[in-house]
Amino acid sequence: DTEVTQTPKHLVMGMTNKKSLKCEQHMGHRAMYWYKQKAKKPPELMFVYSYEKLSINESVPSRFSPECPNSSLLNLHLHALQPEDSALYLCASADWAGGATDTQYFGPGTRLTVL
Amino acid sequence: AQSVTQLDSHVSVSEGTPVLLRCNYSSSYSPSLFWYVQHPNKGLQLLLKYTSAATLVKGINGFEAEFKKSETSFHLTKPSAHMSDAAEYFCVVSVITGGFKTIFGAGTRLFVKA
Repeated sequence: DTEVTQTPKHLVMGMTNKKSLKCEQHMGHRAMYWYKQKAKKPPELMFVYSYEKLSINESVPSRFSPECPNSSLLNLHLHALQPEDSALYLCASADWAGGATDTQYFGPGTRLTVL
Repeated sequence: AQSVTQLDSHVSVSEGTPVLLRCNYSSSYSPSLFWYVQHPNKGLQLLLKYTSAATLVKGINGFEAEFKKSETSFHLTKPSAHMSDAAEYFCVVSVITGGFKTIFGAGTRLFVKA
């Protein structure tokens, strides 16, 4: 199984809502990533988890809160978002064999709209 | 410092003609280089990667890329374009330098005309 799944596919939320994005992989990968992608732009790395520990936080605002409950699951908790946070949120996983050479496998993304 | 430059924001080819998508990189360390493809409203799919083995790398769907250290380039080619190749293509550099870093190029949109 070489699939990364993400739920929900689409999410519309108000600025006062709290919601969560979910990502799951069953490839035994030990690294998981969150990216944000605005329209017609490349993905921007937000967070990296390695062996279920947060290893990289690319200065992301605290209204985004990642969580890695186990090696297969990655969540992104959202609270008090702004309209400019509307984007495609991509999850990826990789077999953390050293980092630079790892192939990242991407999920289909969650399209988030903040009203 | 590390950087990736995709030299064309848009490339348009006719079906059956060759494809060339250009990528230049800058890295103080030995990089790993990747090409990913993204179809509209989809996630990214790996086409191929270079990790300091053979300099000519073959990928999926007939794509290949050649790592040229002297030119700091990693251009993506395909001998004959298919309509299904129309998508966004990203060149990516990955390094470990006191921390893991993945850098995406700005992307090249490939249009394929019938």
